[in-house]
Amino acid sequence: AQKVTQAQTEISVVEKEDVTLDCVYETRDTTYYLFWYKQPPSGELVFLIRRNSFDEQNEISGRYSWNFQKSTSSFNFTITASQVVDSAVYFCALSAIQGAQKLVFGQGTRLTINP
Amino acid sequence: GAVVSQHPSRVICKSGTSVKIECRSLDFQATTMFWYRQFPKQSLMLMATSNEGSKATYEQGVEKDKFLINHASLTLSTLTVTSAHPEDSSFYICSARDGGGKYNEQFFGPGTRLTVL
Repeated sequence: AQKVTQAQTEISVVEKEDVTLDCVYETRDTTYYLFWYKQPPSGELVFLIRRNSFDEQNEISGRYSWNFQKSTSSFNFTITASQVVDSAVYFCALSAIQGAQKLVFGQGTRLTINP
Repeated sequence: GAVVSQHPSRVICKSGTSVKIECRSLDFQATTMFWYRQFPKQSLMLMATSNEGSKATYEQGVEKDKFLINHASLTLSTLTVTSAHPEDSSFYICSARDGGGKYNEQFFGPGTRLTVL
């Protein structure tokens, strides 16, 4: 069975601080996808990244970076120099590469950036 | 990028009535669509997977007679909540998989907020 755990329910930081959101996953699949989504108050999910389990290289996109550690089954997300607009709920998710590719979501981390 | 729409965005209905929610892929063909439900301050839970032209596959614990899913074309899937009750009030989100796309990605709709009085 697949499972995603986001242990941090809520995080609150002051603007311009760096913040890391943790994600730990479980799967029996040898190949899989990992995702991060942002859900602002409007409710619409915003896709941030998809990572193939083949590729363990870390990725940086502007102020966002992701650290994929297959050895510890973690896929952590860091926001550098946080901004108020980063306030949202962030979800980590997992899917198989083959078959229906159903997404299994973590519980989400509510991030609040205070001015 | 690919766009998925949902209609309506919000709906309020009386207990016992049925509500239909539409999910459309606007610029690609979606052989597979997924329906999720999200209760306040909770995560998204997959309800069912629908494939065009065939019966939907429901997740454990989801009543298929209560949540009717029809995926009649490659661009439209509908979710009908039959005899809705207040406990069905939730945020319903669909996603569509672009099987013909380069990366076989899933794209999410904006969601439908259902309130049952």
